[in-house]
Amino acid sequence: NAGVTQTPKFQVLKTGQSMTLQCAQDMNHNSMYWYRQDPGMGLRLIYYSASEGTTDKGEVPNGYNVSRLNKREFSLRLESAAPSQTSVYFCASSEEAGVSPLHFGNGTRLTVT
Amino acid sequence: QKEVEQDPGPLSVPEGAIVSLNCTYSNSAFQYFMWYRQYSRKGPELLMYTYSSGNKEDGRFTAQVDKSSKYISLFIRDSQPSDSATYLCAANAGGTSYGKLTFGQGTILTVHP
Repeated sequence: NAGVTQTPKFQVLKTGQSMTLQCAQDMNHNSMYWYRQDPGMGLRLIYYSASEGTTDKGEVPNGYNVSRLNKREFSLRLESAAPSQTSVYFCASSEEAGVSPLHFGNGTRLTVT
Repeated sequence: QKEVEQDPGPLSVPEGAIVSLNCTYSNSAFQYFMWYRQYSRKGPELLMYTYSSGNKEDGRFTAQVDKSSKYISLFIRDSQPSDSATYLCAANAGGTSYGKLTFGQGTILTVHP
């Protein structure tokens, strides 16, 4: 039982490049989330998907897009990377949105130069 | 003002000490409270999950929520070097706020032998 799996673990991009961060969960959870973690700022919600087929903006959605591919998979896309998007990105899932605790992956460390 | 405030520390204690970690929050709609532990270069791992006010105990860990004073605490008894990590408190209003967990900045704890 892997839980929440994120790929890649590390990535370096140049300004303006694009990339997609992948996330998959094997816990049959309905809800999935993308957070970013920055020093001094804590964890901030980028986008979430309360259930398959729905996505909504979180606290810091600008510069990102998401796709809930199916119940297991939730991807985060950076269309034109900027240095301000250098961060550690965490995907999480929960059984039900709003009442269940979140289970996190081990993160993708992204550097944009 | 952040909705959830947490002293970032760092906090250093000797092995066997009782550790007290604290957060305050400002949103009176918060009903669900969590503590996560995060080891270096790993994702946050759920430690404790409580609903509304009261205490919850799990082994060496006790979580307390006092909604009247908007105060969240985590106590670690007989602390061990393996408890060295960053501890994050989080809160959620539930219902339509979905997984919009609001996190504190995290407290870095070191337990030295």
